[in-house]
Amino acid sequence: ETGVTQSPTHLIKTRGQQVTLRCSSQSGHNTVSWYQQALGQGPQFIFQYYREEENGRGNFPPRFSGLQFPNYSSELNVNALELDDSALYLCASSFKRGGSYNEQFFGPGTRLTVL
Amino acid sequence: QQQVKQSPQSLIVQKGGISIINCAYENTAFDYFPWYQQFPGKGPALLIAIRPDVSEKKEGRFTISFNKSAKQFSLHIMDSQPGDSATYFCAASIGGSTLGRLYFGRGTQLTVWP
Repeated sequence: ETGVTQSPTHLIKTRGQQVTLRCSSQSGHNTVSWYQQALGQGPQFIFQYYREEENGRGNFPPRFSGLQFPNYSSELNVNALELDDSALYLCASSFKRGGSYNEQFFGPGTRLTVL
Repeated sequence: QQQVKQSPQSLIVQKGGISIINCAYENTAFDYFPWYQQFPGKGPALLIAIRPDVSEKKEGRFTISFNKSAKQFSLHIMDSQPGDSATYFCAASIGGSTLGRLYFGRGTQLTVWP
């Protein structure tokens, strides 16, 4: 088990609603990345946060947004939910020093179902 | 466009056999290649990783073979056990960049039967 925790474990929302997912990074890590994993697929990079700022984004629309807090925990917010947003949302923490990263460690994920 | 291509999609191996999963990539800037193991309802767990300055890395029953010229790498699981039954993902990233974003393959569902 990694030290990365996520909440809630499961969530059911209806189309058009908004959702907030939470992640606590592993001790000593300063970077949080969020991934979306659709059923039967590999995780897809949403964005990354470092020093409370977005540090890169994948091919996801602006209705996907995030925050990182001074304790390095993070939130993923999704507005105007669509059916295709149903997926496992994974948080991964790592340590960034200078321009280099070490390994990313994943949390257990939040299973989001949009009806 | 899939940055990392993984095969096979599913694999069935007898207990004690060797499981082999292959991945290929195009971006020569990739310099970090991890493999993740994922059980149902769980997040991916880092299994083993390699950088392109070596051609092979072994940790217990798990070995990564890396062919830089062919832009391919593979995971070998020796003496496969039923507990190894899981989905395996290869991935790649530019570790020295300011991003460290992981690009994943589509996954291989491994079943090891007794």
